[in-house]
Amino acid sequence: GQNIDQPTEMTATEGAIVQINCTYQTSGFNGLFWYQQHAGEAPTFLSYNVLDGLEEKGRFSSFLSRSKGYSYLLLKELQMKDSASYLCAVMDSNYQLIWGAGTKLIIKP
Amino acid sequence: DTAVSQTPKYLVTQMGNDKSIKCEQNLGHDTMYWYKQDSKKFLKIMFSYNNKELIINETVPNRFSPKSPDKAHLNLHINSLELGDSAVYFCASSQDFGTGNEKLFFGSGTQLSVL
Repeated sequence: GQNIDQPTEMTATEGAIVQINCTYQTSGFNGLFWYQQHAGEAPTFLSYNVLDGLEEKGRFSSFLSRSKGYSYLLLKELQMKDSASYLCAVMDSNYQLIWGAGTKLIIKP
Repeated sequence: DTAVSQTPKYLVTQMGNDKSIKCEQNLGHDTMYWYKQDSKKFLKIMFSYNNKELIINETVPNRFSPKSPDKAHLNLHINSLELGDSAVYFCASSQDFGTGNEKLFFGSGTQLSVL
């Protein structure tokens, strides 16, 4: 079967750095996405990786290793508004998105 | 201007009723989706349409029927609602399908509660 694993919940301090990991086992691979979802709201796109390496976008960076089936989302200079769930999703060989359950990130002052 | 809009935002109804959720996108996208997010926060694809053609039809009860009158609209009709249908339903759209980088734009969700 196909599955995406990510931690259920993480806690970090305002101003700090946090890394949210995602491991996947899918039928084929056509890219990995990270989405942010604030409580009661819709998911919004953060990043897309299809080649190995690090993609940086402001305070957020996303890393991919296809050989290890592994990605992480790195959030720097954490702000209270970063408190949200972070969803990892992988596009399989049929171009269908397989979603993780999300990591709830709690930011403390 | 809302890119993907769905209505209603909240839907409270009795078991056995029939209800519809409407979705419209003004992004000019070719592909639209319906997702169900349960209490454990898993997003599960239900249906996808590309240019009004059904391209993804996951294993959902046939009480759920999508309708796409044009590529900007994808509505979801649910017959004989059951308690287990209670969830948040998200509509989404993407520029196209099958290219890999299908960035999804989501509607604000419909919280369905079946009593």
